[in-house]
Formats: sequence, C-alpha cells, structure tokens
Amino acid sequence: AQSVTQLGSHVSVSEGALVLLRCNYSSSVPPYLFWYVQYPNQGLQLLLKYTSAATLVKGINGFEAEFKKSETSFHLTKPSAHMSDAAEYFCAVSEAGGTSYGKLTFGQGTILTVHP
Amino acid sequence: GAGVSQSPSNKVTEKGKDVELRCDPISGHTALYWYRQRLGQGLEFLIYFQGNSAPDKSGLPSDRFSAERTGESVSTLTIQRTQQEDSAVYLCASTLGADQPQHFGDGTRLSIL
Repeated sequence: AQSVTQLGSHVSVSEGALVLLRCNYSSSVPPYLFWYVQYPNQGLQLLLKYTSAATLVKGINGFEAEFKKSETSFHLTKPSAHMSDAAEYFCAVSEAGGTSYGKLTFGQGTILTVHP
Repeated sequence: GAGVSQSPSNKVTEKGKDVELRCDPISGHTALYWYRQRLGQGLEFLIYFQGNSAPDKSGLPSDRFSAERTGESVSTLTIQRTQQEDSAVYLCASTLGADQPQHFGDGTRLSIL
C-alpha cells in the first residue's frame, strides 16, 4: 500500500520569498512521484515528475523537487514566489509495478498563498 | 481539442436521481482514470481502464457507481440513486502509459440537492 502526506494544508509566503511545500510518501516498491498544481475550477496540471532518473527534478514555472529515498521525501521548492503561484498543490505517488501500476495516490493538498 | 474533455462541467440534480458523466481522453492514450475530489480534500481514485484489459474498480465507493469505456475512446461514469455525499468534483485523466504523467480534464462539479 502506498500513502502520501503533505505537511501543512496552508502555506503563506511573501512575493519573492522561498516556497517550500513538503511531501512524504510510503511505498512498498520503488515509486514514481509527481507534483501537480490546481488553479480554481480547473483540473490538475503537472509541475514535475520523478521516475527513477536524476533525483533533482526541474519542472515548469521555476519549480523543482528532490527525491530523497532515505527520508522518503519529495519536497517542492521555488526560490522566489510569484503572485501567479497562488494555487493548490498536490503530491502524488504511483507504484512502478505490481497491481497498482500507474494508479495515483494523492496527498491532501497544500494551498499556497502569496502576499504582495 | 488536444486535452482531456469532460462534460458536463457542472451538474445539479436531486437526491435519488441517476447521473452520467462523460470523459473524452486524449487521442492515443491507452489508460484512463476517474478520480473524485471532495471539498477541501485530495483526490480519491475510483476506477482505471487500460486498453482492453479488465478495469481496476477497486476505488468505487459503492455498487451505485459504475463506469464503462469502449476500447481507447470515451468513458462514462454513472452514479445511480445519487446521495448528498456524492457531491464532489469528478476528474478524469488519461495517459500513454502507467509511467507517464496523467493529463487531467477540468472535471465535472456534481451537486446533489
């Protein structure tokens, strides 16, 4: 079984400040990991993915995430927040094999607020 | 269009009625997923179709929920005898393969009165 925990349902930062959204996962097999962003009344848009290549993954809009197996973490960061980054962010895990292959398990989401 | 299309975008219905939600995946995507997103919560997996294989229905919450997909085309999610707890956004996603990112539609917002 796999699970995802996002620490902090709400994160607030000032424009230009560092963004750090935390994600920890559990999986019985090597995972694929994803970060998605959801703007109001829209579906989810992929920010970045980890599929067992480089542990530091760069995504769209200046976001990146680092896979740390020893910590079972996949935290999302951005050096400088922009007002347009305000949205809800979801971390997700899928198993790279087995009967659950491809099925995403999502965290509860973190709402990012950016203050001017 | 190039993306995943879902219809209707909004649906309001009375408790006890049946509803049918539609998903048009991206052409060529063999895998299709349905998820439910309740207010303030993450997404819950409902059902997964992969080509002509038997679907993975392990996430369907009750026998009132069913889904169909013909080949690699349109899928419909049906909820019979709707209850107020069925109110949620229902999201569909498609992908080329299980190790590829899922592309999501904008969802159907279902409200049960």
